Amino acid sequence: GQSLEQPSEVTAVEGAIVQINCTYQTSGFYGLSWYQQHDGGAPTFLSYNGLDGLEETGRFSSFLSRSDSYGYLLLQELQMKDSASYFCAVRLPSGGSYIPTFGRGTSLIVHP
Amino acid sequence: KAGVTQTPRYLIKTRGQQVTLSCSPISGHRSVSWYQQTPGQGLQFLFEYFSETQRNKGNFPGRFSGRQFSNSRSEMNVSTLELGDSALYLCASSLAGTGDTDTQYFGPGTRLTVL
Repeated sequence: GQSLEQPSEVTAVEGAIVQINCTYQTSGFYGLSWYQQHDGGAPTFLSYNGLDGLEETGRFSSFLSRSDSYGYLLLQELQMKDSASYFCAVRLPSGGSYIPTFGRGTSLIVHP
Repeated sequence: KAGVTQTPRYLIKTRGQQVTLSCSPISGHRSVSWYQQTPGQGLQFLFEYFSETQRNKGNFPGRFSGRQFSNSRSEMNVSTLELGDSALYLCASSLAGTGDTDTQYFGPGTRLTVL
């Protein structure tokens, strides 16, 4: 089948580093995106990986390995405001096209 | 630039009724996608429009429909509402909807409750 897998919950303390993994199964691939969503808010775009390797944006980095069908989001110097849900997303083939597909989301809880 | 706007923000309907939700994309964005978000199923893709044409459709029944206007504004309609349609409906806009970046900008959503 075609799917995305990510952990349902991750906890960490302020100042720490946390990694949220995402694995996908698809016969086609269009790039891996990450979104953040706070409770009651809308998802906001964090990063995109179209090629293998690491993309860095401030405290957040995202990595992709297409050969392993695997990616991760790395959050450094965690802050309380980073407590949110994080979604990985890819476009999966469907009926001759590619449709946006999101993982179930990882709830990140940051403790003081 | 103003962000994606959705109206109404909250809606309460009863089973069997129909509902129309509206989305105004970021100025210059030509692609609009719609998603249903529920605690049990997460973010589920409904459909995507580009230049007034439906480009992609998710796995939802025909009761869910949409359209896009020449100014890129979009509406989605749900007919014969069921209790299970209670969800947050999110609209997202992007420049072209495909391509390397695929960055989508989400609106605040419409919270639909079906009684």
